Amino acid sequence: QVTLKESGPVLVKPTETLTLTCTVSGFSLSNPRMGVSWIRQPPGKALEWLAHIFSNDEKSYSTSLKSRLTISKDTSKSQVVLTMTNMDPVDTATYYCARIDILTGYSHDYWGQGTLVTVSS
Amino acid sequence: SYELTQPLSVSVALGQTARITCGGNDIGSKNVHWYQQKPGQAPVLVIYRDSNRPSGIPERFSGSNSGNTATLTISRAQTGDEADYYCQVWDSSTVFGTGTKVTVL
Repeated sequence: QVTLKESGPVLVKPTETLTLTCTVSGFSLSNPRMGVSWIRQPPGKALEWLAHIFSNDEKSYSTSLKSRLTISKDTSKSQVVLTMTNMDPVDTATYYCARIDILTGYSHDYWGQGTLVTVSS
Repeated sequence: SYELTQPLSVSVALGQTARITCGGNDIGSKNVHWYQQKPGQAPVLVIYRDSNRPSGIPERFSGSNSGNTATLTISRAQTGDEADYYCQVWDSSTVFGTGTKVTVL
């Protein structure tokens, strides 16, 4: 059974750095067929892709947020970590991690439940 | 960067057919995936690679993709189909559509 679960702070202050962890089970982060994305969704708004990482450590970032994002993985812990620097109230959103399946054309076939992060002083 | 455009909303009568479009430059040459998101829930994959249904997704959901438009079709619409729907493609990274709210009347 494949599961992903996001964890991290529910409240961060402006200018602080956000660190989110995605813990996966039911598949390995070393599987060459799989990757993990981070995606966010501000309240009432659309999905926004942030970053991805694959088993070979290939990474990519949203062009608009690239300077603020870092994605990494710890295969032994089955965790993918996203850091976002210089948080602002406009970054208030539900943050999701999701599995990418290369063989299905890079669809996101499993998602975490999401974690709501509020940016406020 | 690649962009995907969806109508803001689509309404469909109960039991009728809803069609949700996703427009993008030469989208027909890409694999298109569709997600359903109900309020307060994470998105769920309902169609992958244009027209394939994951296990557990009803046959009422189907997809097509050609030219500059991909389409998600919901046949015999039910009240439980009310949700936001997003298309997605891979263009060296993930691109999501703008999202469509489906209302079943």
